[in-house]
Amino acid sequence: QVQLQESGPGRVKPSETLSLTCIVSGVSVSSGNYYWSWIRQPPGKGLEWIGYVSYSGSTNYSPSLKSRLTMSVDVPRNEFSLKLSSVTAADTAIYYCARDLGYSGFDPKWYFDLWGRGTVVTVSS
Amino acid sequence: EIVMTQSPATLSVSPGERATLSCRASQSVGSNLAWYQQRPGQAPRLLISDASTRATGIPARFSGSGSGTEFTLTISSLQSEDFAVYYCQQYDNWPLTFGGGTKVEIK
Repeated sequence: QVQLQESGPGRVKPSETLSLTCIVSGVSVSSGNYYWSWIRQPPGKGLEWIGYVSYSGSTNYSPSLKSRLTMSVDVPRNEFSLKLSSVTAADTAIYYCARDLGYSGFDPKWYFDLWGRGTVVTVSS
Repeated sequence: EIVMTQSPATLSVSPGERATLSCRASQSVGSNLAWYQQRPGQAPRLLISDASTRATGIPARFSGSGSGTEFTLTISSLQSEDFAVYYCQQYDNWPLTFGGGTKVEIK
């Protein structure tokens, strides 16, 4: 059974760096054509795509967060990570990791077929 | 950035009735549209991809239609477990964007 599990601190201080890890089980992060994404959801609001990392380490970030973002993948540990610097209260959200299907041939399949349960991150001093 | 607009924001429906949810894109996304269901306290779950293809294990009462800029998710006969928030997402252009959601509540 394929599962994703987010881990990280529940609270981060303003101006510091948020670090989250997604532990993948049941499938290798280097298998198939999968891409590994982060999505967040502020309290009571909708979903925002943050970015993805591939098994080779290539990335694609949301322009609104690009200057503060770093994503990476650790194939031996079968996990991928997110670092968001200079956080503010606006970064308070539930953060989800998810699997993205990338491409099927030339057809885009950039939707999320598998999600973690999410982890709550609060930015507060 | 493609803006996705969902309507209505809230839909009140009685169990057993049909629900029709709309999603509009600010420019054409072809058929590159997905729908998700999010129950309270849970992660979103993929329902539909490519505008009309049900994901594995999704009941047949869920159907998607549309292309270009106008899309519809129909739930033919609402069950108790279907009362949730539904999001559309386009994957035709970067960045990937979601609609603001439609909450389906019990009438």
